[in-house]
Amino acid sequence: EAGVTQFPSHSVIEKGQTVTLRCDPISGHDNLYWYRRVMGKEIKFLLHFVKESKQDESGMPNNRFLAERTGGTYSTLKVQPAELEDSGVYFCASSQVETENTGELFFGEGSRLTVL
Amino acid sequence: AQSVTQLDSQVPVFEEAPVELRCNYSSSVSVYLFWYVQYPNQGLQLLLKYLSGSTLVKGINGFEAEFNKSQTSFHLRKPSVHISDTAEYFCAVTKISGNTGKLIFGQGTTLQVKP
Repeated sequence: EAGVTQFPSHSVIEKGQTVTLRCDPISGHDNLYWYRRVMGKEIKFLLHFVKESKQDESGMPNNRFLAERTGGTYSTLKVQPAELEDSGVYFCASSQVETENTGELFFGEGSRLTVL
Repeated sequence: AQSVTQLDSQVPVFEEAPVELRCNYSSSVSVYLFWYVQYPNQGLQLLLKYLSGSTLVKGINGFEAEFNKSQTSFHLRKPSVHISDTAEYFCAVTKISGNTGKLIFGQGTTLQVKP
């Protein structure tokens, strides 16, 4: 069974440009999460989807970030326009509804974003 | 609100020596506790978790952790480490009620196992 996959693994863009990160969760996982780790800091929650619905987006930094999960399958996270402080590693994670109560998540390898 | 503190950013240790990675948390409500590990060029992987019951939990690769409610700690231990244990380790908590996938992570501890 394929794990959580993220694309691209690394993106380098100029300040002011747009970047779209993609996450494919494990098949059948209705819960999808985005997390971010800024250099030297802890991993922080960004938002949570259940199927195609945003359940919790309390961690989104500002309105330059837009997450979507059309059809309840893969998700995209767009940063527009990118700023220097957006640099970091963006992790996607998924879980089944049945395991939601245990808090166990399956993480992708992350997408490293570098904004110059 | 919850917070997690991992007291050591880096822990160097020789192969076959014991190791303890420390984690303290703060929360006004009951939480689940986790240790995740990230090997080089891989995603985070669940090492072990404490949900309830016995305070000593065993995980994969010979790791174990003990939940100490009075000291609000969840330290990770392994009696004899291998080179392959070199990785970054993350302690995390989540509220028992509500969105349990909303993890609060510590800053991470890099375990460096030397031959």
